[in-house]
Amino acid sequence: GAGVSQSPSNKVTEKGKDVELRCDPISGHTALYWYRQSLGQGLEFLIYFQGNSAPDKSGLPSDRFSAERTGGSVSTLTIQRTQQEDSAVYLCASSVTGLYNEQFFGPGTRLTVL
Amino acid sequence: AQRVTQPEKLLSVFKGAPVELKCNYSYSGSPELFWYVQYSRQRLQLLLRHISRESIKGFTADLNKGETSFHLKKPFAQEEDSAMYYCALPGSARQLTFGSGTQLTVLP
Repeated sequence: GAGVSQSPSNKVTEKGKDVELRCDPISGHTALYWYRQSLGQGLEFLIYFQGNSAPDKSGLPSDRFSAERTGGSVSTLTIQRTQQEDSAVYLCASSVTGLYNEQFFGPGTRLTVL
Repeated sequence: AQRVTQPEKLLSVFKGAPVELKCNYSYSGSPELFWYVQYSRQRLQLLLRHISRESIKGFTADLNKGETSFHLKKPFAQEEDSAMYYCALPGSARQLTFGSGTQLTVLP
């Protein structure tokens, strides 16, 4: 079956602009995760959804970051007023509910803020 | 707070040599640990997990609670093992806490 997909694959934007990153999880996966992968920082957890709700938003680095998930499926990560330090690869993952279940990762969106 | 430490950013070995990628963790309770791998231009994917006690692609990892380690080992490295390896621990929000990763290069 289809894996996790993300769009766009690459996004170049100017500092101060808003961006939206999209994630389509594997059908039937109720858990969805956003991570950020940047040089020198490794993989950083951003937010987790169980269904449409996000019980823990503490991983979001600032209030410029927000995320939503609708219909228990597609999720959008929005970054407002982008800064150069937001440049990174943003990864989405999904899993069947369960703490120890495998997370399936998407290919990522490479964001470059000029 | 839980933490995963991978002390080696880069590791190079020759083909056929043994390889060990180190992972240490801090966690209160009985941890479940994972190794994820990212091959060049591919997605991050699960390699193996402690709970399964499995060997994947010749790799094994043993949880040592006394040393709080979960080192990844392979007796004979192959060139196709060259990749970025991440050790990970589930968090309270069911996210994964990743180590900083080790880039393994297997030389011919």
